[in-house]
Amino acid sequence: AQTVTQSQPEMSVQEAETVTLSCTYDTSESDYYLFWYKQPPSRQMILVIRQEAYKQQNATENRFSVNFQKAAKSFSLKISDSQLGDAAMYFCAYRDDKIIFGKGTRLHILP
Amino acid sequence: SAVISQKPSRDICQRGTSLTIQCQVDSQVTMMFWYRQQPGQSLTLIATANQGSEATYESGFVIDKFPISRPNLTFSTLTVSNMSPEDSSIYLCSVEVRRNTEAFFGQGTRLTVV
Repeated sequence: AQTVTQSQPEMSVQEAETVTLSCTYDTSESDYYLFWYKQPPSRQMILVIRQEAYKQQNATENRFSVNFQKAAKSFSLKISDSQLGDAAMYFCAYRDDKIIFGKGTRLHILP
Repeated sequence: SAVISQKPSRDICQRGTSLTIQCQVDSQVTMMFWYRQQPGQSLTLIATANQGSEATYESGFVIDKFPISRPNLTFSTLTVSNMSPEDSSIYLCSVEVRRNTEAFFGQGTRLTVV
């Protein structure tokens, strides 16, 4: 069965600094999607970034980028120039026939 | 993307009663999903709501406890039946706009059972 592991329950970063959130997954599939979702206190799940497994190029969305290592089954999220509004729970997710979420990393932004 | 309206946003219910949660999407979507998020936890898929057929439930979830309706391509309901305090959670509706890609979420329903 596919699993998603986020080994950092909580992280803190100084405002304007860069932080990297880790995620590993386990699958025997070759074609799948990976996502990072953000859940602020409002509890709305917001898609941050997505990566297709068949693409070697790492996805980028403004200040958010990923480091996708398919062979290592690793999918980390880098947030550059951290802002107070980035404070939230971040969930890594894997999808083939359904979406499986990791346990999440709570990110604190220190002013 | 899709705009998803979920109602109610929160409720406090007596044990033994049932609550129906509604999910309305602003466009026709093929797949709709219902998740549970227990306090401080990740999201767990309850079931996939299929239009015109019975929902597909994940292990540990049964239709008698969580009946789901999907009368058309823009609407679904989840009922939490015979509630107990252990059912206190956030329940989230999500939809898939393009097959086998990302899901978009409603605002969630925070349910407290007393």
